[in-house]
Amino acid sequence: KAGVTQTPRYLIKTRGQQVTLSCSPISGHRSVSWYQQTPGQGLQFLFEYFSETQRNKGNFPGRFSGRQFSNSRSEMNVSTLELGDSALYLCASSLRTDNTEAFFGQGTRLTVV
Amino acid sequence: GNSVTQMEGPVTLSEEAFLTINCTYTATGYPSLFWYVQYPGEGLQLLLKATKADDKGSNKGFEATYRKETTSFHLEKGSVQVSDSAVYFCALRGYNTDKLIFGTGTRLQVFP
Repeated sequence: KAGVTQTPRYLIKTRGQQVTLSCSPISGHRSVSWYQQTPGQGLQFLFEYFSETQRNKGNFPGRFSGRQFSNSRSEMNVSTLELGDSALYLCASSLRTDNTEAFFGQGTRLTVV
Repeated sequence: GNSVTQMEGPVTLSEEAFLTINCTYTATGYPSLFWYVQYPGEGLQLLLKATKADDKGSNKGFEATYRKETTSFHLEKGSVQVSDSAVYFCALRGYNTDKLIFGTGTRLQVFP
């Protein structure tokens, strides 16, 4: 079956702009999580969604927001982009039952110039 | 709070050498533990997992045992290959959440 699909794969934006990233989970998966990966900070948790509800949020400013739709697809939005937002943004999906594993997409590489 | 500590890299080995990458954790309760691998330009792939104390996860010749007494989950492989060159992440997941807490990652370079 198809894996986790993230679009777009690459994105270049200018400081001050906003951006929306998309994640389509594996069919049947209802839990979606987002992570930011940078060389300096490593992998940091952004959000966790299950059945359209945000269950957890990481320590990021309010410029970072997300949502999940009824078909489990998720989007994250970053407003007023800063140079430091340049990163690989990874989405993971899981079934959300005991002993399940998270499957990651290939990520969206965001560059802010 | 929960945290994961991994050994610093890079780890540089010759083909067929023995590999150990150390991982220790701090957590309340009984977390699940994972090793993920990331190849250049790719997302993360689950390598192995263990969900309770004394469980051994294994895959593709890699092994790790969940040691509650030492709060460790060290990754081992008896004979590495050039194709194992990648970045390896240790991670934990607490109860009733899908949030993963990652270590800093360890880059492995294997030379022929």
